[in-house]
Amino acid sequence: EAGVTQFPSHSVIEKGQTVTLRCDPISGHDNLYWYRRVMGKEIKFLLHFVKESKQDESGMPNNRFLAERTGGTYSTLKVQPAELEDSGVYFCASSLRQGSTNEKLFFGSGTQLSVL
Amino acid sequence: AQSVTQPDIHITVSEGASLELRCNYSYGATPYLFWYVQSPGQGLQLLLKYFSGDTLVQGIKGFEAEFKRSQSSFNLRKPSVHWSDAAEYFCAVGAGDTGRRALTFGSGTRLQVQP
Repeated sequence: EAGVTQFPSHSVIEKGQTVTLRCDPISGHDNLYWYRRVMGKEIKFLLHFVKESKQDESGMPNNRFLAERTGGTYSTLKVQPAELEDSGVYFCASSLRQGSTNEKLFFGSGTQLSVL
Repeated sequence: AQSVTQPDIHITVSEGASLELRCNYSYGATPYLFWYVQSPGQGLQLLLKYFSGDTLVQGIKGFEAEFKRSQSSFNLRKPSVHWSDAAEYFCAVGAGDTGRRALTFGSGTRLQVQP
């Protein structure tokens, strides 16, 4: 069974450019999460999809970030325009739709974004 | 708001030695607590979790953690470290009682294992 896949693994862009990160969750997983880790600090929650709906987007830093999950399958996270402080590792995770006590998150290996 | 503190940024232990990684949390109600590990080039993998019941939790790879409410701690332990345990370890807290699924992570502890 394939795990959570993220693409690209690395991205280097210039300030002001646009970048789109993609996450393919495990097939059948309704829950999809985006997290990011900036400058080796704590991993911070960005948002949570249940199928195609945004369940919680309280962690999105500003309106330069746009997340979508077309058809409740894969998800994209677009940063437009990118700023220096957006550099970091962006993680995606997915889980089956279960109660919170049984939920098990499966994480992708992340996308390392560098904004120069 | 909940928070997690991992006081040790980097720890080095000898192979075969015991290990304890510290984690302190702040949360008003009973927390859901987790330990994750990230090996180089890999995603985060769940080691163990605590929701309720026995405060000593057993996980994978020989790890265990103990929930101490009086100290707001959830320290991770392993009696004998193997070279393959070298990785970064993250403690996390979830507010499961609110229905909100987002986890709050600590800043991580990087473990180096000396031969």
